Amino acid sequence: DIQMTQSPSSLSASVGDRVTITCRASQNISPFVNWYQQKPGKVPRLLIFSISRLQSGVPSRFSGSESGTDFSLIISSLQPEDFATYYCQQTYTTPWTFGQGTRVDIK
Amino acid sequence: QLQLQESGPGLVKPSETLTLTCSVSGDSVSNYYWSWIRQSPGKGLEWIGFIYYTGSTKYNPSLGGRVTTSLDTSKNHFFLTLNSVTAADTAVYYCARRIQPGSSPVFVFDIWGQGTLVTVSS
Repeated sequence: DIQMTQSPSSLSASVGDRVTITCRASQNISPFVNWYQQKPGKVPRLLIFSISRLQSGVPSRFSGSESGTDFSLIISSLQPEDFATYYCQQTYTTPWTFGQGTRVDIK
Repeated sequence: QLQLQESGPGLVKPSETLTLTCSVSGDSVSNYYWSWIRQSPGKGLEWIGFIYYTGSTKYNPSLGGRVTTSLDTSKNHFFLTLNSVTAADTAVYYCARRIQPGSSPVFVFDIWGQGTLVTVSS
């Protein structure tokens, strides 16, 4: 299975901060990387697909990038509604796998 | 607008079989690939498998061959069956639509059901 090692597991940040979450894949999987947001008690929501393409309706403060087998989700200016847990996912090959999640909470 | 709704028993005894239903509304179950995903309490997400109306399926080997999926086009539903459940199968189970958005080769889960909590306990 392809392992998606996500870091950090949690972080505390303030409104307006720039936040970066990273997933390291166990092999080359470009461009088959997606990012999801999940708020407590809610359903995961697709934010970004194919590394950097924004899903319809997602604010432009969210972006994605890659460097080799490292993939990043960047929030340019954290907003109150962005406090949530974020998961990366690979769909390069089955079994499709997710990162362990990064919880973003208020500092 | 496409909507998904999971249903099934909230409590299953160890060693028994879990069956969940995902009801599709707003579009035909024959038009897309469908997946099941689960999330154990306080844990991350685990993809279980997918099904297409042609009968094409794929499952996560981590389930040890205990999972099957099926589909009923007349009712616009699809199903998950998990055999020989243990406490480790306690989780929120989601059904989701799998698509390739735009011209991308990437698969995504763009629409999810609300999820149903299944507890395995005697």
